[in-house]
Amino acid sequence: QVQLVQSGAEVKKPGALVRVSCKASGYKFTGYYIHWVRQAPGQGLEWLGWIIPNSGATHYARKFLGRVTMTTDTSMNTAYMELTSLRSDDSTIYFCARGATGGFGFDYWGQGTLVTVSS
Amino acid sequence: QSVLTQPPSVSGAPGQTVTISCTGGSSNMGAGYDVHWYQQLPGTAPKLLIYGDINRPSGVPDRISASNSGTSASLAITGLQAEDEADYYCQSYDSSLSAWVFGGGTKLTVL
Repeated sequence: QVQLVQSGAEVKKPGALVRVSCKASGYKFTGYYIHWVRQAPGQGLEWLGWIIPNSGATHYARKFLGRVTMTTDTSMNTAYMELTSLRSDDSTIYFCARGATGGFGFDYWGQGTLVTVSS
Repeated sequence: QSVLTQPPSVSGAPGQTVTISCTGGSSNMGAGYDVHWYQQLPGTAPKLLIYGDINRPSGVPDRISASNSGTSASLAITGLQAEDEADYYCQSYDSSLSAWVFGGGTKLTVL
């Protein structure tokens, strides 16, 4: 069955960077987009960007340009999201999600990774 | 302020029907981009409930349905059950932002 398993919770200081991983299994990793979405406690969902594992092509939300980098390791079926210059308002849960071209939505999600930014 | 607008909360008694609206604009839903709906139970990741405006993934019961007309979409849940108590989000693509956008979410309370 399709699974996306993310790395564990992180605590970082302001100005630092965080790297979250998302290991895929149960499907052809290179055949689907990986999206990253975040959610502040008690708040809504915010899309950060996507990556195509096959080519490494990326597209980031304008809000995160210059601060976010998404990569994949196709040999490990793993996607990574790195966010730099962390601020307190980056303290949220980060999800990876699988997406397909066409109108299919984000059909499988990782369990989420809590990132806490605190001095 | 979310690009897609949802009511903050809705409620209904067991067995009743509730609908959740989602209103967008000319650069997203009005431009013909698909609407997707997600259910998020407390402490869990979102789950795809409806894709491509009206389609249910396998495993989603047929008492859950959706419709879409121009810049408005809605999710309907009939025969409300306690397990339906969750947050619901609509999603679409916005061409002016070149981004996937979500509604602010609607908390469904089963009375």
